[in-house]
Amino acid sequence: AAGVIQSPRHLIKEKRETATLKCYPIPRHDTVYWYQQGPGQDPQFLISFYEKMQSDKGSIPDRFSAQQFSDYHSELNMSSLELGDSALYFCASRRAGGRYEQYFGPGTRLTVT
Amino acid sequence: SQQGEEDPQALSIQEGENATMNCSYKTSINNLQWYRQNSGRGLVHLILIRSNEREKHSGRLRVTLDTSKKSSSLLITASRAADTASYFCVPSGGGADGLTFGKGTHLIIQP
Repeated sequence: AAGVIQSPRHLIKEKRETATLKCYPIPRHDTVYWYQQGPGQDPQFLISFYEKMQSDKGSIPDRFSAQQFSDYHSELNMSSLELGDSALYFCASRRAGGRYEQYFGPGTRLTVT
Repeated sequence: SQQGEEDPQALSIQEGENATMNCSYKTSINNLQWYRQNSGRGLVHLILIRSNEREKHSGRLRVTLDTSKKSSSLLITASRAADTASYFCVPSGGGADGLTFGKGTHLIIQP
């Protein structure tokens, strides 16, 4: 079965640089979620989109923005990177219509040096 | 979703034994989900139990829900080394909101 695809899987950036993470949801899933998991931390919800509109917002820094495109893929844009942004970034997708389970991708490991 | 509180925080058992972990939450829910995360990997949805259900099975997993006590339990029978992971419970009001994860239960299966 198709799974959530995230790219790149690993990314190394320097402080103050920008990064763009991409997420391709499972086919026919129309809701995308982004999560951040720092070293030794629990996953933290950042933001979500349903039908290309922002549907929920968590602890996403102002330096980050995200959007969902017409093909339902999503991109998380991160600017002015800080050392503390080093983390695993997970994308999850969900199929609407009364289904609540979220299906997670393998994550993008971002290292900021 | 609200944050669930898993107990114990860590559990170590021998391969083949059963593992039980518990979850408590604070406000009424529509459903409660359990997720697993192997070290450094993505989260995997294990099972969802709705508020009008008391017990649900999926393979070696058995989940119970007691809405009067605002608690749930996850039982893994005949544990295997591959079950070593962190397990999170996520109580949900049923909307499409992002999930809130607690500390989880870190399960270690000893060979």
